[in-house]
Amino acid sequence: GAVVSQHPSRVICKSGTSVKIECRSLDFQATTMFWYRQFPKKSLMLMATSNEGSKATYEQGVEKDKFLINHASLTLSTLTVTSAHPEDSSFYICSARSDRIYEQYFGPGTRLTVT
Amino acid sequence: AQTVTQSQPEMSVQEAETVTLSCTYDTSESDYYLFWYKQPPSRQMILVIRQEAYKQQNATENRFSVNFQKAAKSFSLKISDSQLGDAAMYFCVYNTDKLIFGTGTRLQVFP
Repeated sequence: GAVVSQHPSRVICKSGTSVKIECRSLDFQATTMFWYRQFPKKSLMLMATSNEGSKATYEQGVEKDKFLINHASLTLSTLTVTSAHPEDSSFYICSARSDRIYEQYFGPGTRLTVT
Repeated sequence: AQTVTQSQPEMSVQEAETVTLSCTYDTSESDYYLFWYKQPPSRQMILVIRQEAYKQQNATENRFSVNFQKAAKSFSLKISDSQLGDAAMYFCVYNTDKLIFGTGTRLQVFP
C-alpha cells in the first residue's frame, strides 16, 4: 500500500523559534498533500491543502503566515511553524493523495511541544 | 457545507461480539465517498473501509461491513467478532475534494 512518512515524530522547541515538519510520500507521487492538526481526544482539523508547485490553500481561521506550507516536489511537503508559542503545541498529521489513488494516505504524525 | 455526525462518543464491546458504530452526514451532492478510519493508540490513521455513494451494495472488508442508507444519509460500521486490536478511535469521514471528519467514537474491547 501507499506509504507516507513524517519527520520528526516528536519535537520540542522553545517559544519564539521556528520548527519544520516534513511529509514524504515514499512510493507514489503525491499531487495533493493535506495538513491536519489534532488536539487530545479530538478529531482532525484540516489546516491546509497543498498542490505540487502552487500555493497552499488554507482553511478559515488558520494563519498562513504562522503555518508556512511548501509543496516543492511530488514527494515532499513541509509545514513550518514560525515563531512558535505554547498554544501551537499539538499533534500534526499530514496526508497525501495522487491523481491515481483516490484515498488519502496518512503519515504517522508529529507531536510538537513548545516550551 | 457538508457535515458528519457521530453521536456515540464511546462504545464498548466484549471480545468476539458484534458492535455497530453510527454515523450520519449531510450533503447536497449525489456523488461522493464515505470512509471509516481507525486511529489506534499509535495515532496512525488506518483506512478501514470505503463506500462509493453511487454503489448500492454495502461495502465489506473481512469482519468490517457498513450499512449505507443514502436517502437517510446514514453510514454505520459493523464490526463482527471483535478483537482486542480493534480498540481505537473510529472516525466517519465524508470525502469530496477534501475529507470532512466526524467527532469520532472511542471503541473499547473487553476480554
